[in-house]
Amino acid sequence: DAKTTQPTSMDCAEGRAANLPCNHSTISGNEYVYWYRQIHSQGPQYIIHGLKNNETNEMASLIITEDRKSSTLILPHATLRDTAVYYCIVRVGDNAGNMLTFGGGTRLMVKP
Amino acid sequence: DGGITQSPKYLFRKEGQNVTLSCEQNLNHDAMYWYRQDPGQGLRLIYYSQIVNDFQKGDIAEGYSVSREKKESFPLTVTSAQKNPTAFYLCASNPSWGFSGNTIYFGEGSWLTVV
Repeated sequence: DAKTTQPTSMDCAEGRAANLPCNHSTISGNEYVYWYRQIHSQGPQYIIHGLKNNETNEMASLIITEDRKSSTLILPHATLRDTAVYYCIVRVGDNAGNMLTFGGGTRLMVKP
Repeated sequence: DGGITQSPKYLFRKEGQNVTLSCEQNLNHDAMYWYRQDPGQGLRLIYYSQIVNDFQKGDIAEGYSVSREKKESFPLTVTSAQKNPTAFYLCASNPSWGFSGNTIYFGEGSWLTVV
């Protein structure tokens, strides 16, 4: 199963772009990269996911390297409400179904 | 509106008692999951279910039990055999099984405290 590595914490100034890196060097060809975030004492919120192409939605952009061994989540204009723990997740293979295996995530602190 | 509803939000249990956490979804999702989260930690999988009347153990199933009698419901029972049950419990669901491109949606969680 592919594992992910993220920095434990990051700071970002309000209004600036927040770039959150994730390493997943053992990812296999049919595994997707997912990003979720969790605000304290709430359920995780889906942000974005991708396979190999870059993706963008109303919340964020996902940049996946050509070799798929790493990715970056970009919040283009971070606000104080973006302060949360961000999880980068690679979907486990088919013999375990569609489970998501969570690591420790990155605690993003957006500062005024 | 469609979504996942967990109840209760807060629950206190005496040692030696079993408690059941409810999870209901009206999203017509096939797969459902239960995760446990300890303070400052990531999520750990307790049980998951691919389809009605079927469920599988996750990484930390000891001391827990589940049932899946209806597609929309996946209750979790925390038994007295679970030695350290105080935690935040999250239920999730997924539209289909075997396709890793689908997203998983989470409920708002239930806090269980043993007193």
